[in-house]
Amino acid sequence: QKEVEQNSGPLSVPEGAIASLNCTYSDRVSQSFFWYRQYSGKSPELIMSIYSNGDKEDGRFTAQLNKASQYVSLLIRDSQPSDSATYLCAVNDNTNAGKSTFGDGTTLTVKP
Amino acid sequence: EAQVTQNPRYLITVTGKKLTVTCSQNMNHEYMSWYRQDPGLGLRQIYYSMNVEVTDKGDVPEGYKVSRKEKRNFPLILESPSPNQTSLYFCASSLSGTGPNIQYFGAGTRLSVL
Repeated sequence: QKEVEQNSGPLSVPEGAIASLNCTYSDRVSQSFFWYRQYSGKSPELIMSIYSNGDKEDGRFTAQLNKASQYVSLLIRDSQPSDSATYLCAVNDNTNAGKSTFGDGTTLTVKP
Repeated sequence: EAQVTQNPRYLITVTGKKLTVTCSQNMNHEYMSWYRQDPGLGLRQIYYSMNVEVTDKGDVPEGYKVSRKEKRNFPLILESPSPNQTSLYFCASSLSGTGPNIQYFGAGTRLSVL
């Protein structure tokens, strides 16, 4: 089983809809969770980070973390064509400092 | 401007010819890391460095070497490249490798080994 799994894509939503991206992780000691966005041919850039259970909102983006279920998600409200990209979930284990594990990514397409 | 700079951006080489990909950051970050990305896959960590002279293996270290003699630089060395090392490589840095570790990525190096 992969350490970090993301829902297989591609995911397509109409403009204005809510896009839901999911990620599960296998290591219970994981402490820090990140969502990166990567446009085609570009480098990843941070969208959200979350460290404690619950929701964290930043503009149109909401990250949700449930450590009991080992689940982290990213909701994008009012999706725009410019949100079309691959979204990478990353998990850090603070007991193994420095090691960073990424999921395979979910490609999102927002159709006008 | 705060940035992570990788060079070269594109490289075509032949099997067995040693090469180095440079990575430099100007943010005084302690942590630096190298990743490779292959089609349909996420980022796989090759090596990382928590600070000067401190390096450790990631998930896919075979065939690669790194060094961290200065805080700002973290070169990736392929002593004898093989075709299976054809990939897109990213260097990243972070203030610290412990605790929350928000990473800033370079623009990437696309390597082809013939």
